[in-house]
Amino acid sequence: EIVLTQSPGTLSLSPGERATLSCRASQSISSTYLAWYQQKPGQAPRLLIYGASRRATGIPDRFSGSGSGTDFTLTISRLEPEDFATYYCQQYTRTPYTFGQGTKLEIK
Amino acid sequence: QVQLVQSGTEVKKPGASVKVSCKASGYTFTNYGLHWVRQAPGQGLQWMGWINAGDGDTEYSQRFQGRITFTRETSTSTVYMELRSLRFEDTAVYYCARAPGLDWYDNWGQGTLVTVSS
Repeated sequence: EIVLTQSPGTLSLSPGERATLSCRASQSISSTYLAWYQQKPGQAPRLLIYGASRRATGIPDRFSGSGSGTDFTLTISRLEPEDFATYYCQQYTRTPYTFGQGTKLEIK
Repeated sequence: QVQLVQSGTEVKKPGASVKVSCKASGYTFTNYGLHWVRQAPGQGLQWMGWINAGDGDTEYSQRFQGRITFTRETSTSTVYMELRSLRFEDTAVYYCARAPGLDWYDNWGQGTLVTVSS
């Protein structure tokens, strides 16, 4: 099973700042098979990025993804109030598909 | 627009079974796979498996092998997840999610809370 480790566990920033979230895989995965989701309390996850760097439909361009091999990054260039949420990475290269444990982005 | 609408909250006793439904609309049901993901209270996301809505093929996570069954009903564009021999630790929100090609999830159901309590 591929283990995804996200860091930091919690990130405290202010609106307008830049957020950098990390996802590290226990073994190399093709960038084609890495996605990022945003989840707010009481809601289902929402797809942000797939294929490591492709924005899903309707996702603002302040969200970007990058990385390859075992290290992947989600960057939010300028935080808006609605961006404060929990973010998960997911690998779908091999079953069982797995998610990271999440990074909670909170308002400083 | 694509919608996945799940059945409502369930409360079950340990050892019982639960069957959660996920009704799809807004797209050709048989062209996509539907996956099940659960989230225990305050925890992260856990993949359970998936069903090919076209031919009914299934794949289950080993964690649930023998306790879980996915089925689909093409006439109503609905998939079902049945989990048996429920344990306290099965208390979670269960989501269905559509996989548009490779297995990322572009649409999710609203979630179904299953509580296992004596």
